[in-house]
Amino acid sequence: EVQLVQSGAEVKKPGESLKISCKGSEYSFTNYWIGWVRQMPGKGLEWMGIIYPGDSDTRYSPSFQGQVTISADKSISTAFLQWSSLKASDTAMYYCARLKGYDVFDYWGQGTLVTVSS
Amino acid sequence: DIVMTQSPDSLSVSLGERATINCKSSRSVLYRSNNKNFLAWYQQKPGQPPKLLIYWASTRESGVPDRFSGSGSGTDFTLTISSLQAEDAAVYYCQQYYSTPPWTFGQGTKVEIK
Repeated sequence: EVQLVQSGAEVKKPGESLKISCKGSEYSFTNYWIGWVRQMPGKGLEWMGIIYPGDSDTRYSPSFQGQVTISADKSISTAFLQWSSLKASDTAMYYCARLKGYDVFDYWGQGTLVTVSS
Repeated sequence: DIVMTQSPDSLSVSLGERATINCKSSRSVLYRSNNKNFLAWYQQKPGQPPKLLIYWASTRESGVPDRFSGSGSGTDFTLTISSLQAEDAAVYYCQQYYSTPPWTFGQGTKVEIK
């Protein structure tokens, strides 16, 4: 069965950098887009961006362009979401999810909780 | 960006009764060349990631019970739960995936058991 396993919860201070991961298994990692979705505490889902691991083609939401970097390492079937300088407002649950085609998210990771606090 | 607006924000429904959630997009998500609506529905239970229920506005994902159905076209869409079960208590989101990203979500509708 398709699985996406995300890295564990993180607690960081403002200004620190962070890279979280999402490892795919039981499917051809290079042939499916993977995306990231933010969910702030008690709030809804926000589409952040997607990457095609086969060629690293990446698309960002304008709301997140320049704020985060999405990358992938196909040799280890893992996608990444990273920040160079965290803010308190980055506190949220972050989900990775696989795209069924170039469209909807059909498989989701369990989520990574990122807490940014001084 | 296309803005997705759901109504109501929450609803309380008795077991076995029908639940109806509406979703309106700020512009049409119907792609006329293939007559497909680029609209999906997800269910999210507390402490869990979202789960894909329906895509192309009315196609149920594999394994989704047939009490869940999607309808609508263009800018107005509906998710119907025909006979609400206890396990259907959740937040439901619509999402458009029309044209270029970002593919935005609605704000969510919370379904509670009355």
